[in-house]
Amino acid sequence: GQQLNQSPQSMFIQEGEDVSMNCTSSSIFNTWLWYKQDPGEGPVLLIALYKAGELTSNGRLTAQFGITRKDSFLNISASIPSDVGIYFCAGQRGVRETSGSRLTFGEGTQLTVNP
Amino acid sequence: SQTIHQWPATLVQPVGSPLSLECTVEGTSNPNLYWYRQAAGRGLQLLFYSVGIGQISSEVPQNLSASRPQDRQFILSSKKLLLSDSGFYLCAWSVSLRVRPFFGPGTRLTVL
Repeated sequence: GQQLNQSPQSMFIQEGEDVSMNCTSSSIFNTWLWYKQDPGEGPVLLIALYKAGELTSNGRLTAQFGITRKDSFLNISASIPSDVGIYFCAGQRGVRETSGSRLTFGEGTQLTVNP
Repeated sequence: SQTIHQWPATLVQPVGSPLSLECTVEGTSNPNLYWYRQAAGRGLQLLFYSVGIGQISSEVPQNLSASRPQDRQFILSSKKLLLSDSGFYLCAWSVSLRVRPFFGPGTRLTVL
């Protein structure tokens, strides 16, 4: 089956530092999504990428859809304590209305920000 | 605006007991609905998805089943829970043409 390799598994940084995490796959995906999950809550969508090479920003977050369509990265600039949480990448190979949309998730990156 | 609800928020059940988790979506029609399980706070695994009433697709063989009795209601069930069924269960929805699932608040299930 499809697998996403997300790295790093965990990061411990100081407030103000920049953060970078990425996902790679042996399969091509047509959509990449990045989610953040706070403890005990459901994941919240941060950024959605739909085109190879696309670079999208959402405040201090920037994500890119790799040219090969097999990878994506997420950068967080000037981290703050509330950035703490688990960040997940998710990929989808295609969207067909009859089959529904389906995602493959990475294992997550646990981010800890020390004030 | 759309909202998604799950209940209960937490549940502790003995091994062998039945299970019923409920998910409802408001503010949209004919959503795609999903059940995910998350073990140990990492790695979401898709269990079931549904594109319409009575239409259920299972992603992995398991001890669980799903049903969609109404357009915006999705239920996760089990006749006899196993210890391995413990985890964080997340319901999600999306519109059919674009991939942007929105997750519910989740249910923490502990099987003892």
